[in-house]
Amino acid sequence: QVQLVESGGGVVQPGRSLRLSCAASGFTFSSYGMHWVRQAPGKGLEWVAVIWDDGSTKYYADSVKGRFTFSRDNSNNTLYLQMNSLRAEDTAVYYCARDLSSKYFDSWGQGTLVTVSS
Amino acid sequence: QSALTQPRSVSGSPGQSVTISCTGTSSDVGGYISVSWYQQHPGKAPKLMIYDVTKRPSGVPDRFSGSKSGNTASLTISGLQAEDEADYHCCSYAGSYTLVFGGGTKLTVL
Repeated sequence: QVQLVESGGGVVQPGRSLRLSCAASGFTFSSYGMHWVRQAPGKGLEWVAVIWDDGSTKYYADSVKGRFTFSRDNSNNTLYLQMNSLRAEDTAVYYCARDLSSKYFDSWGQGTLVTVSS
Repeated sequence: QSALTQPRSVSGSPGQSVTISCTGTSSDVGGYISVSWYQQHPGKAPKLMIYDVTKRPSGVPDRFSGSKSGNTASLTISGLQAEDEADYHCCSYAGSYTLVFGGGTKLTVL
């Protein structure tokens, strides 16, 4: 079955960087677009970014554009989210999710918590 | 990319029906047949319940149904059960391969 496992979360100071990973298994990873979605404590979900199956194209939410970089390694079935210039408002659980029809999320990981605090 | 508007909470008794609304604009909900709904139990990952406004993934009970009129989408849950108590999030395509969520609605089964 589809399995997505995020890692790399933790506590980081404002302005610093962090890289999240998402290990995928149970499906043909290189055939699917993938997303990052985040959820601030007690808040709703926020779409962060999408990457196409071959990694050639990425789109970002305005709130992270220019600071976050989404990449993937299809040989290792892994996603990466490089987060730079972190702000307090980036504090959230970050989920990776598999894409359906370029508009939906049909499988989700359990998330990794990022806390930006001094 | 403004968030879609959902009621903060709704409630209903077992066996009843409830409807959760999700209001956007002509640039998202009203402009595309691309609305989805996600169920999220406390401390758990979201689960896809509805996509393409009205479609249910395999395994989702037919008690869950979706609809859309203009800039407002709705999720209706009929025959409420205790296990339906959860947060529900709507999401819409917003053009240029971007997506926007609502603020989430907490469903309480009385």
